[in-house]
Amino acid sequence: KQEVTQIPAALSVPEGENLVLNCSFTDSAIYNLQWFRQDPGKGLTSLLLIQSSQREQTSGRLNASLDKSSGRSTLYIAASQPGDSATYLCAAIQGAQKLVFGQGTRLTINP
Amino acid sequence: NAGVTQTPKFQVLKTGQSMTLQCAQDMNHEYMSWYRQDPGMGLRLIHYSVGAGITDQGEVPNGYNVSRSTTEDFPLRLLSAAPSQTSVYFCASSPTPLRGARTEAFFGQGTRLTVV
Repeated sequence: KQEVTQIPAALSVPEGENLVLNCSFTDSAIYNLQWFRQDPGKGLTSLLLIQSSQREQTSGRLNASLDKSSGRSTLYIAASQPGDSATYLCAAIQGAQKLVFGQGTRLTINP
Repeated sequence: NAGVTQTPKFQVLKTGQSMTLQCAQDMNHEYMSWYRQDPGMGLRLIHYSVGAGITDQGEVPNGYNVSRSTTEDFPLRLLSAAPSQTSVYFCASSPTPLRGARTEAFFGQGTRLTVV
C-alpha cells in the first residue's frame, strides 16, 4: 500500500528565499506524481505533473524532481513571494485512478 | 471555462438526513472521483468512475453511494448522514486514467459539509 509523507508540516520563510518542499513515498513502483497548491477554503490547483519516466519538470519559478529509487520528490520554489503562501500537496498515483496524498506542507512567505 | 463545478459550497445536515453533493465537469472527461479531506488524514478516495455507467469503490466508500448516468455529472449521495461524515468533499476529473502519460487530475472548489 502506497503511503505518502510530507515534511515539514509547516514552513515559514522570508520573501525572496529559495526553498524546497519534500515528499516521500513508500512504493517506488509509482506511475506519476502530481504537486498541488491549496489556498485556505479553496480547491486544489495542479502545479506540476511528473511522469514516472521523467526526473524533473519545470513551470516558471517551480521545479519538481522525482527520484523513484529513493522514494522522494521535491518541489523547488525560486525567489519566493507572499503570494506563494498556501498549502502544498503531493500525490502519487496508485492503481488506475487513485491519488494517494501526503498531508501537505503549509507554507508562509513573510514580506 | 467552468472546469469542475461542485454544489453546494456549504451544507449543514442533521444526523440521519440524506443529501446529494453535485459535481459537474464540462471538459468531456471520462474519469471522475470523489475525495474527502479531513484534518490529519489528508485526502482519501471515496468512489470513482471510469465512464458513464461504471463506478467503483475507493478507500472509504461506506455511507456513500454514487452513480454516473452521464459523462458530465457524478453526484455523491449520503443516505443517512452521520457526524463522522463531517468533512470537505472534493470532486476531481481527468480525461484519461491517471496512470497514463501526461494525465492530470482537475479538482473542484469543494463542498464543506457539517453533520450535527
